[in-house]
Amino acid sequence: DIQMTQSPSSVSASVGDRVTITCRASQGISSWLAWYQQKPGKAPKLLIHTASSLQSGVPSRFSGSGSGTDFTLTISNLQSEDFATYYCQQANSFPLTFGGGTTVEIK
Amino acid sequence: QLQLQESGPELVKPSETLSLTCTVSGGSISSGSYYWDWIRQPPGKGLEWIGGIYYSGSTYYNPSLNGRVSISVDTSKNQFSLKLSSVTAADTAVYYCARQYSGGGLRVDYWGQGTLVTVSS
Repeated sequence: DIQMTQSPSSVSASVGDRVTITCRASQGISSWLAWYQQKPGKAPKLLIHTASSLQSGVPSRFSGSGSGTDFTLTISNLQSEDFATYYCQQANSFPLTFGGGTTVEIK
Repeated sequence: QLQLQESGPELVKPSETLSLTCTVSGGSISSGSYYWDWIRQPPGKGLEWIGGIYYSGSTYYNPSLNGRVSISVDTSKNQFSLKLSSVTAADTAVYYCARQYSGGGLRVDYWGQGTLVTVSS
């Protein structure tokens, strides 16, 4: 199985900040990576697929980059509705695997 | 707008079989380019992909579940189902049904609201 490691596990930030979350795959996955946002008590929501493609309807302050084993999710100009937990998921092969999550908290 | 809704018992006894059904509305489960997945999340923990099925019946399971999983599809009812046998307390989780797009990179673009299943005697 491909292991996905996210860092940090949590980050404190203020509205207007720029936040960067990192995801590392245990082996190369080309650009086959997705990012999700999850709020408490809700299902995850797809933000980005294929490492850098913004899902329809997702604000442009979210962006993704990377390929191979190292990927980043950047939230520019953090908004109050962005405080949530974020997960990466490798989309290269079964079994699909997720990172452990990064919680973006209010500073 | 596609919608997915999980249904099934919220309480299952240890060693028994957990059974859930996902009803898809607003779209056909027989559409190509999609897998229909089950994903779970233990309370306070991360996400685990359980497995998925294509409308033709091809299935893909997570080996970590040691052969306890079976996923089936009923295209006439636009539903797919999960069976997880020999459950223990470790199987207590919110179970989500979901649609996984398979064209050019797998990703889950639609999720059900999730249902909490507790394993307890």
